[in-house]
Amino acid sequence: DQQVKQNSPSLSVQEGRISILNCDYTNSMFDYFLWYKKYPAEGPTFLISISSIKDKNEDGRFTVFLNKSAKHLSLHIVPSQPGDSAVYFCAVYSGGGADGLTFGKGTHLIIQP
Amino acid sequence: DAGVTQSPTHLIKTRGQHVTLRCSPISGHKSVSWYQQVLGQGPQFIFQYYEKEERGRGNFPDRFSARQFPNYSSELNVNALLLGDSALYLCASSLDSAWPQHFGDGTRLSIL
Repeated sequence: DQQVKQNSPSLSVQEGRISILNCDYTNSMFDYFLWYKKYPAEGPTFLISISSIKDKNEDGRFTVFLNKSAKHLSLHIVPSQPGDSAVYFCAVYSGGGADGLTFGKGTHLIIQP
Repeated sequence: DAGVTQSPTHLIKTRGQHVTLRCSPISGHKSVSWYQQVLGQGPQFIFQYYEKEERGRGNFPDRFSARQFPNYSSELNVNALLLGDSALYLCASSLDSAWPQHFGDGTRLSIL
């Protein structure tokens, strides 16, 4: 049973516009929510995170929103750039740490020129 | 500064063999975690080690084992390889047992 779901396998966005990537989770006990970005032949790179006690965190072009009542997480990238084309993984973490990160299946973001 | 390094980058084995994958964490990081990523899926947690002790284990069979050395590097061992073990194996390190975890580029293991 998937605890973290990314229901869009791919997303195509025009350069300069906003990219919105979505993630749903099932367990309200998760403490932290993270986004990772992965290029082919490279490991995932940490992008941004948010604690369960917050509803928004911003870092430059990247903003993560957390809606705890809906168990929904989203990543906004604005403006989208060609280098943003990659696979984006949503991941969750419980403060105890012993279970590692639980990842979604990823969304392939394609930025069109 | 060097990131997380993994070796080898690619490996081909046959069913029934065993394999050892290696990982060197970022300097100063004491925690190492291992993940398996099969095609079309996100990484799946296998083990976490912190200060040379196993801190967590995912839902993997006993054929999978790992250890962490005094210099905080780590090995992942897989015995009696099956075709389904073909995957990208990722190592991640962090300062302590928490996040954020920094990933290496992985070892691509192919089982024939």
